[in-house]
Amino acid sequence: EAGVTQSPTHLIKTRGQQATLRCSPISGHTSVYWYQQALGLGLQFLLWYDEGEERNRGNFPPRFSGRQFPNYSSELNVNALELEDSALYLCASSSGTGTYEQYFGPGTRLTVT
Amino acid sequence: GENVEQHPSTLSVQEGDSAVIKCTYSDSASNYFPWYKQELGKRPQLIIDIRSNVGEKKDQRIAVTLNKTAKHFSLHITETQPEDSAVYFCAANPGTYKYIFGTGTRLKVLA
Repeated sequence: EAGVTQSPTHLIKTRGQQATLRCSPISGHTSVYWYQQALGLGLQFLLWYDEGEERNRGNFPPRFSGRQFPNYSSELNVNALELEDSALYLCASSSGTGTYEQYFGPGTRLTVT
Repeated sequence: GENVEQHPSTLSVQEGDSAVIKCTYSDSASNYFPWYKQELGKRPQLIIDIRSNVGEKKDQRIAVTLNKTAKHFSLHITETQPEDSAVYFCAANPGTYKYIFGTGTRLKVLA
């Protein structure tokens, strides 16, 4: 069974630009979660999508947004990038059928200069 | 508000000794508590989890205990090995399919 995949692996942007990160969940999983992991820190919940809808979001400004496509893959968009947005962005998926286990992708390392 | 505290932030043990990591959560609605291991440069991996209707769960050298009254849960690793060295995260799920993660514990197993 293929795991959660994310692209790109690394992304370098300058301040003020936009970044788009992509995630493909495990086959059969309908829920996708996005987390931000700043260097040396824990995982901060960003967004949760299920069945194409945004179900919950963490304490992040509106310039962090995303969507989920009909095939359950997801996209995270970060507008007006700031230096402190530099972090590892992790995507996780779960079956969304009442089980809670989340399985993580390898992450996208975003660097804002 | 929802919060998960995790201690200690770093832990060094001799190979073969036991390691214990503790977490406390604030939202009494939480009913699922996973533990993740993250090796350097790799994704977090689920290593064990416990649901609120169970007090303890074991899987070989690792175990998790849950005290719902006190709102805390702990990870126990026995007979530690160098490959156990990693950052460990606890999490709580306040009933909304959202995880609140602890701040992580960097475990070093000294050979």
